[in-house]
Amino acid sequence: GENVEQHPSTLSVQEGDSAVIKCTYSDSASNYFPWYKQELGKGPQLIIDIRSNVGEKKDQRIAVTLNKTAKHFSLHITETQPEDSAVYFCAAFPYNQAGTALIFGKGTTLSVSS
Amino acid sequence: EPEVTQTPSHQVTQMGQEVILRCVPISNHLYFYWYRQILGQKVEFLVSFYNNEISEKSEIFDDQFSVERPDGSNFTLKIRSTKLEDSAMYFCASSSGGGYSREQYFGPGTRLTVT
Repeated sequence: GENVEQHPSTLSVQEGDSAVIKCTYSDSASNYFPWYKQELGKGPQLIIDIRSNVGEKKDQRIAVTLNKTAKHFSLHITETQPEDSAVYFCAAFPYNQAGTALIFGKGTTLSVSS
Repeated sequence: EPEVTQTPSHQVTQMGQEVILRCVPISNHLYFYWYRQILGQKVEFLVSFYNNEISEKSEIFDDQFSVERPDGSNFTLKIRSTKLEDSAMYFCASSSGGGYSREQYFGPGTRLTVT
């Protein structure tokens, strides 16, 4: 089955710096890759996603890139702010239909200090 | 903005007791999911549900677990006889399904503590 690896497990940056979180997946059939942000005591919140037919997607300060050949995808946050501090999870969706499980990475704890 | 809601936010129960966790998915969504997250670990899939039946389940979802959509709005997870290792955050999620509509939206979770 699908396996998602995520690095780093913790990341500390200064406010205004960029942060990059990387994930690799094992199943070449995976075709949808969402990123979730989880704040303390809350559920995962979908912040951006990318489908396998595109290589990059951007939404304001957040961007995601996908390299299907290498089977890895990354989250880029520019101009980080203290409110970006949270746990970020990548996930892969291994089948071409709804109703199937998301396979999550282990998460990255991002700390942005002012 | 529509959101997934879950009740209770925190449930404490004794080992061997039955618990029911409740979720109200987003109203026009067709696919429903339960995930769990043991403290400090990644989110793990339990079960997905569509058209009043289980679509997929993980190895975690054994005979002690069951799901139900008792009416048009609620989606429940029942643990028949809780064990200490069932202590975790349980998240409900829903998606609209169909075509590329795979985005899964998560509720705030129920923290289950088994003593």
